Amino acid sequence: EAQVTQNPRYLITVTGKKLTVTCSQNMNHEYMSWYRQDPGLGLRQIYYSMNVEVTDKGDVPEGYKVSRKEKRNFPLILESPSPNQTSLYFCASRTGNTEAFFGQGTRLTVV
Amino acid sequence: GQSLEQPSEVTAVEGAIVQINCTYQTSGFYGLSWYQQHDGGAPTFLSYNALDGLEETGRFSSFLSRSDSYGYLLLQELQMKDSASYFCAGSTDSWGKFQFGAGTQVVVTP
Repeated sequence: EAQVTQNPRYLITVTGKKLTVTCSQNMNHEYMSWYRQDPGLGLRQIYYSMNVEVTDKGDVPEGYKVSRKEKRNFPLILESPSPNQTSLYFCASRTGNTEAFFGQGTRLTVV
Repeated sequence: GQSLEQPSEVTAVEGAIVQINCTYQTSGFYGLSWYQQHDGGAPTFLSYNALDGLEETGRFSSFLSRSDSYGYLLLQELQMKDSASYFCAGSTDSWGKFQFGAGTQVVVTP
């Protein structure tokens, strides 16, 4: 079954404690992206990757890092989380000009 | 700010037709996409218009006019399960940058 898998689904952490949200896809897609979703703002792209070792900033990259060492994996790293990073996060993957598959989401709370 | 504008909410009764408009200000969009998202769930892909015109997929249709920087999603024969948020979105370059509208909450009433 084609899917994008994110972990964890829910996470509560404290300010400043580094965390990583994992994302894996089994469709051999070149493109992968991370989004955050906040009420009234839709989904905003944090980072995207066009292929292994090729990443670029989206609209809201501050406070986040990513890596793409393997085609299937695209982890999102928060080196020093802050309360304004409390949000719902989605990973997505695609081959063409449109996002095709999304992970189930990670609800992050930073206290 | 948002490059794609869509209404925040639309309410309609079961069996009706709803049209969700989306206008965009950024030039060079590589087509327009539509997604559905139920509360607490992940967005799911509905349709993609790469060229001008109408694309039909079952009860849902999507339209794009590049000259007017405008598109819409048409939901026909509304069902209760269609109550959800709908997002228009597009890619602004060929490298992967992607933007979403703020979403339209569709409320279907009996």
